[in-house]
Amino acid sequence: EPEVTQTPSHQVTQMGQEVILRCVPISNHLYFYWYRQILGQKVEFLVSFYNNEISEKSEIFDDQFSVERPDGSNFTLKIRSTKLEDSAMYFCARRVPGGADEQFFGPGTRLTVL
Amino acid sequence: LAKTTQPISMDSYEGQEVNITCSHNNIATNDYITWYQQFPSQGPRFIIQGYKTKVTNEVASLFIPADRKSSTLSLPRVSLSDTAVYYCLVGDITYSSNTGKLIFGQGTTLQVKP
Repeated sequence: EPEVTQTPSHQVTQMGQEVILRCVPISNHLYFYWYRQILGQKVEFLVSFYNNEISEKSEIFDDQFSVERPDGSNFTLKIRSTKLEDSAMYFCARRVPGGADEQFFGPGTRLTVL
Repeated sequence: LAKTTQPISMDSYEGQEVNITCSHNNIATNDYITWYQQFPSQGPRFIIQGYKTKVTNEVASLFIPADRKSSTLSLPRVSLSDTAVYYCLVGDITYSSNTGKLIFGQGTTLQVKP
């Protein structure tokens, strides 16, 4: 099964700090997604990234969020000034075109904002 | 995206067959039905996808009646390791018409007991 990896597995930060969550290594894929899941709640779509551009973003994905592919392989989610309510699991996913339309999710990064 | 309704929770015992039904009364012509599984602290994992009638893979079967307004995920002979949350998603998987984002509901929490 195609693998999606994420780093770090757990990030603890102070409110107001910037965090960068990474999805690595990725190559030769066009469709990427970030989702989050607050503890005990459902998985929520944040943003989709197609061909190095944001193709869609949710209401959650406000100005404090950004996504990049800084070196053509890593796929990052940056939260500029974290808030307590940003504490959640953040999942990166990639979509494989052709055949069944499925997304492969990474193991997630648990973000804890203190 | 069509709204889905599924039971919040289900209990079963090892070795039994489990059927989880999902209602999607407003399913559109181009919509496919997809099921994901999520274990605690892990990302969702694709299980099965179908459009009509029956689909079977090594993990599960998916039954879709002719009107497509509901679907049933069938897990044969469950084990303790099948304890997870199961999500039913309905959407158009045509790449040209959407970004591929997944919209998750609350899912069905399946508890398998010994």
